[in-house]
Amino acid sequence: DAKTTQPPSMDCAEGRAANLPCNHSTISGNEYVYWYRQIHSQGPQYIIHGLKNNETNEMASLIITEDRKSSTLILPHATLRDTAVYYCIVRGYNRKLIWGLGTSLAVNP
Amino acid sequence: EAGVAQSPRYKIIEKRQSVAFWCNPISGHATLYWYQQILGQGPKLLIQFQNNGVVDDSQLPKDRFSAERLKGVDSTLKIQPAKLEDSAVYLCASSPAFDRGPGATEAFFGQGTRLTVV
Repeated sequence: DAKTTQPPSMDCAEGRAANLPCNHSTISGNEYVYWYRQIHSQGPQYIIHGLKNNETNEMASLIITEDRKSSTLILPHATLRDTAVYYCIVRGYNRKLIWGLGTSLAVNP
Repeated sequence: EAGVAQSPRYKIIEKRQSVAFWCNPISGHATLYWYQQILGQGPKLLIQFQNNGVVDDSQLPKDRFSAERLKGVDSTLKIQPAKLEDSAVYLCASSPAFDRGPGATEAFFGQGTRLTVV
């Protein structure tokens, strides 16, 4: 199963875009990239997923590089409620979500 | 739409005692997952059910952990006997379908049960 690498922590000013990077250099052709987030003391929450093309929904945008070895989750206008741990996950061959340590995003006023 | 319900929210037990957690998935969701999340780590899948059948329990410590999903709806996860290292948050999640491909499903999580073994 492909593994992901994320920075352990990031800061962002409220109202600015938060760009969270993820490296998945061993991803294979049929594996999707998923993003979840986990606010303190809550269960993880699905954000977005993609295969090759960039994706956008009401929560975020996902930019996947052409070689698919890395991706960036973009929160266009971060708010204090976006403070959370963000997990980048590659869905493995057996469809199991393999979770890493994630990025702890702090949105500051 | 009601979310995934879990109970209890918190549990403190002594080592070697038994404990059980309950999960009610979102109505109509065929797939149910139990995860263990140790403080500071990402969730680790313990077991995955498709309806009432087990799809994956490769990371379930079967000498002490058991899980069942009777009638393909509610599920219980049991630990007997508990060890100190079982202290963690136990998360239940459900998703509407299984085999529509790796890009087709998202999992909805409950708030979890925080277990402390002393």
